[in-house]
Amino acid sequence: DAGITQSPRYKITETGRQVTLMCHQTWSHSYMFWYRQDLGHGLRLIYYSAAADITDKGEVPDGYVVSRSKTENFPLTLESATRSQTSVYFCASSESGTVGTQYFGPGTRLLVL
Amino acid sequence: DQQVKQNSPSLSVQEGRISILNCDYTNSMFDYFLWYKKYPAEGPTFLISISSIKDKNEDGRFTVFLNKSAKHLSLHIVPSQPGDSAVYFCAAEAGGTSYGKLTFGQGTILTVHP
Repeated sequence: DAGITQSPRYKITETGRQVTLMCHQTWSHSYMFWYRQDLGHGLRLIYYSAAADITDKGEVPDGYVVSRSKTENFPLTLESATRSQTSVYFCASSESGTVGTQYFGPGTRLLVL
Repeated sequence: DQQVKQNSPSLSVQEGRISILNCDYTNSMFDYFLWYKKYPAEGPTFLISISSIKDKNEDGRFTVFLNKSAKHLSLHIVPSQPGDSAVYFCAAEAGGTSYGKLTFGQGTILTVHP
């Protein structure tokens, strides 16, 4: 399917476990982003990537790791999940050179018990 | 410190009337502003944007106004339709080394009643 997809859509895990959320886009967009959405905070940027092998921290990076070996994939890993990481996670992508406009995936709802 | 604020958590309007959603920001380095719309269980979708060199941008029923001196922007929807019921997020970008990095407000839930 064309566009941007996330998997899994729902995930329940336990404190201390490692979890990886997947993001895949078919547009060959240079930029990719990970956000978390929490009540009262809107969307907050976790990490972003300007191109393959180039990543940088956003507003709330602690406890998360990213990689981008291929342009189309941008996985987000919670190395040791905590309850405070219970959230809805959105991946997004945008074309290089276009200011602002980002295309979002459908989200992954993560519950950490 | 919340750099982009949407102080109204919710707004309820009648079909056919105007909806006005407001957003305030504190960072004077922001030079590009956007509105996103989000339905339940879906990702946000881009709605409309405005550059800091403009004070108004229109796209069909949607108009965004920017008041730089007040650090305030608003989204007007005229006429409002039941399908407009969603969460609306405003977002801002600073450009330069922050290119591509958006700062979002908390969101406003808009309900349009038939």
